[in-house]
Amino acid sequence: QKEVEQNSGPLSVPEGAIASLNCTYSDRGSQSFFWYRQYSGKSPELIMSIYSNGDKEDGRFTAQLNKASQYVSLLIRDSQPSDSATYLCAAPGYSSASKIIFGSGTRLSIRP
Amino acid sequence: GAVVSQHPSRVICKSGTSVKIECRSLDFQATTMFWYRQFPKQSLMLMATSNEGSKATYEQGVEKDKFLINHASLTLSTLTVTSAHPEDSSFYICSARETRNTEAFFGQGTRLTVV
Repeated sequence: QKEVEQNSGPLSVPEGAIASLNCTYSDRGSQSFFWYRQYSGKSPELIMSIYSNGDKEDGRFTAQLNKASQYVSLLIRDSQPSDSATYLCAAPGYSSASKIIFGSGTRLSIRP
Repeated sequence: GAVVSQHPSRVICKSGTSVKIECRSLDFQATTMFWYRQFPKQSLMLMATSNEGSKATYEQGVEKDKFLINHASLTLSTLTVTSAHPEDSSFYICSARETRNTEAFFGQGTRLTVV
C-alpha cells in the first residue's frame, strides 16, 4: 500500500463550482499534511499546511483533516481556470526517517 | 511562504561534461534538503535527501557517484550531475525544510538538456 494515495484524475469541474480533492494516508503516526499545486513545467508551490483535525481555511481554499479516517482533502471554492493544475498531497514519513512522502497528484481541470 | 532559490533555471551541456545546480534557502535555515527529478507528465521522483553536515541518503536506483550532493551549510545544497548523458535530461527540483514536521518549500527547478 502506498503511504499517500490520491486519485490521479483528471478531475473536471465547471468554473465557479467547488473542486474537491482527496487524499488518504497509511501512516497513523503522521502529524502534518501539506497540499501543493504544480502547474505544467513548473515546480510545486505550497498552498496549505494542516496539523490538527478539522478544517483550515485560507481564501478560496479549505483543507480538511480527519486523522481517525486517515483522510485529508482540499476544497477549492469558486473554481477559476487558473486553478487548473496538478495538486499534490504530502506528509512527512513518520517511519521513513526524514522523507516527505508525496501522492502521485490529482490533475484538476476547470472548464469555462 | 519561505523562499528557496535554485540556479540555474535552464542549462544545456554537452555529453560527458558535468553540471552543478545550486539550491539556497533565502530566509530560513534548512536542516534538510531534497532533490527530485521529474520527467514530462510524470510524478516527482525523489533522488536523495540531505541533512546539513551529513552525507546524502540516496534513493534506490540513484547512482551516488553520478549525482553528487553536497549540503555544506544550512542554506546551501548543490547537486552535480557528473559525466552527463542525454538520458539525464530532465527537470531537477530541490526543496528545503526547516524542521522535521514542517512543510518543505521548492526551488524553481532546473531544466537540464544534455546534447
